[in-house]
Amino acid sequence: QQPVQSPQAVILREGEDAVINCSSSKALYSVHWYRQKHGEAPVFLMILLKGGEQKGHEKISASFNEKKQQSSLYLTASQLSYSGTYFCGTIIIQGAQKLVFGQGTRLTINP
Amino acid sequence: DVKVTQSSRYLVKRTGEKVFLECVQDMDHENMFWYRQDPGLGLRLIYFSYDVKMKEKGDIPEGYSVSREKKERFSLILESASTNQTSMYLCASSLPLDRPTYEQYFGPGTRLTVT
Repeated sequence: QQPVQSPQAVILREGEDAVINCSSSKALYSVHWYRQKHGEAPVFLMILLKGGEQKGHEKISASFNEKKQQSSLYLTASQLSYSGTYFCGTIIIQGAQKLVFGQGTRLTINP
Repeated sequence: DVKVTQSSRYLVKRTGEKVFLECVQDMDHENMFWYRQDPGLGLRLIYFSYDVKMKEKGDIPEGYSVSREKKERFSLILESASTNQTSMYLCASSLPLDRPTYEQYFGPGTRLTVT
């Protein structure tokens, strides 16, 4: 049931771009993105609803393609502060609704 | 400023002990969640609650139980701790899932070691 993220880890130099993918075997109603910095709690970045919309947060944007059941997170001109583990989450309806997270993508930005 | 607090940042318990992890939120949220975080496995849902005294199993409920007697408090109970329950435990709270601005707020986590 967990969405699948790729890649599992990325190492970049400051200023480079990155793409993190999230895909699901089940129909997606929405996709949620969170970032967890080392030693801290996960923090909400953005939510994408059905309709293929794109959203942005600083230089971080995301797309959602419900037909392909996938979402991508784009980090442009990465900064050191972008380092952390990124999680996507999808809503599963099984009795009650619940948010299920992927396994995470660890992003390391080096100077 | 929204806040989710957990009773301990670090906890060391012996095999077979009963363990209580407490979570309190001050945002009057209906939903509360317990996750377990292990390297390479992401955030796995143990239990969640959408109302006082209501609970739903997540993906890995075996070996755990929960209690929600008050809206602001959600407890995770390990009836008989085992070494394979050594992990980081994260609590979260949220408004109902059908809100378009849905967001989960996480606590700082409790790193539990069972020896």
